[in-house]
Amino acid sequence: NAGVTQTPKFQVLKTGQSMTLQCAQDMNHNSMYWYRQDPGMGLRLIYYSASEGTTDKGEVPNGYNVSRLNKREFSLRLESAAPSQTSVYFCASSELALNQPQHFGDGTRLSIL
Amino acid sequence: KQEVTQIPAALSVPEGENLVLNCSFTDSAIYNLQWFRQDPGKGLTSLLLIQSSQREQTSGRLNASLDKSSGRSTLYIAASQPGDSATYLCAVDPSGNDYKLSFGAGTTVTVRA
Repeated sequence: NAGVTQTPKFQVLKTGQSMTLQCAQDMNHNSMYWYRQDPGMGLRLIYYSASEGTTDKGEVPNGYNVSRLNKREFSLRLESAAPSQTSVYFCASSELALNQPQHFGDGTRLSIL
Repeated sequence: KQEVTQIPAALSVPEGENLVLNCSFTDSAIYNLQWFRQDPGKGLTSLLLIQSSQREQTSGRLNASLDKSSGRSTLYIAASQPGDSATYLCAVDPSGNDYKLSFGAGTTVTVRA
């Protein structure tokens, strides 16, 4: 079972470059999420999409944009990458119901020089 | 703002010993608390979800307890095995619908054979 698939797995960018991280899920989940994970810190929510056609800001949205392309796909875009955006990015999905655990992809490791 | 703390940051035990992992949170107004496992280079896998009305949840060798009033949860792993080596993260959900999860930074566990 594929679950949540993220591409690419690794990427190195130069400051100022743009990049789109892709995420797709095959579990027919309504809700999708983008997080970043930095050393010594918990995951922080960047954006989420409660259902197809909606997106909302999370805790750390500055410097990012998202697109919920359809029910399966949720992309994260860095318009002008900065070194502070060096991180591991995780996409997750869940059912649109109470007390549903999230299912995570394996992450994209992004370095910005 | 909800603060979630996991102490210690790292733990090493011999095989067969019981593991006790701690999670504390500052705001007791939670809907549920979730425990996740993260293997190196991978995403998070949900282990247990405890609703605020519950005191504990069990799955195989795993048992998680929740004391909302004191802002604490404990994950017990019985008879640890080298395969239990991973980082364990807890997250609290204030609303039950996953949009505002607050994660701890995790405890990295090494089980020595």
